[in-house]
Amino acid sequence: EVQLVESGGALVKPGGSLRLSCAASGLTFINAWMTWVRRAPGKGLEWVGRIKSKTGGGTTDYAAPVKGRFTISRDDSKNTVYLQMNSLKTEDTAVYYCITGFCSGASCHWDDAFTIWGQGTMVTVSS
Amino acid sequence: QSALTQPASVSGSPGQSITISCSGTSSDVGGYNYVSWYQQHPGKAPKLIIYAVSNRPSGVSNRFSGSKSGNTASLTISGLQAEDEADYFCSSYTRGTTLVLFGGGTKLTVL
Repeated sequence: EVQLVESGGALVKPGGSLRLSCAASGLTFINAWMTWVRRAPGKGLEWVGRIKSKTGGGTTDYAAPVKGRFTISRDDSKNTVYLQMNSLKTEDTAVYYCITGFCSGASCHWDDAFTIWGQGTMVTVSS
Repeated sequence: QSALTQPASVSGSPGQSITISCSGTSSDVGGYNYVSWYQQHPGKAPKLIIYAVSNRPSGVSNRFSGSKSGNTASLTISGLQAEDEADYFCSSYTRGTTLVLFGGGTKLTVL
């Protein structure tokens, strides 16, 4: 069974740090581009950032609200992607999901069509 | 970059067809053929039902179809069934620092 399992969510004070993990199973993780999205209470989904596979360059991209504060990394030996969150703000309060796309034949949809979603982990930033 | 705009709710009777719209701009929906649609039942993970505007992943019913005109994409569900009652949301690739925009979601009620 293909699965993504997030962990690491917690209550943290403004200005604090937190690292989320997302463990993958049932997919060829080394080839997957991994994305983090979040849903704040009462709001819609928001794209947070993405890390390409190492063969794809291994580079990262981030949404403007988190750029410079959040860092995505991956450990292909552990089939795990991480989201390091620093200088947390109250507006970062949300459920964080890791997700990934797919390849069909020669066409890949890593950045636009997400077939696998984790169950999410809650991050609450509050004093 | 603002989220894509969807109606909050739509409804239809079994056997009918309904359409859900997803409005964006020329920088996202109108600029790329990378619109996707997701179905989400309560307590479940989203399920991809349409990608690249009008393509269905393997296993998705052909009652689901997608299209795009200008800056607005649409999801049509034909032959409505009770099991189609769920939340539906769209996404689009976009230019800028944010690579993907999501719609706010539409609750489909099957009467």
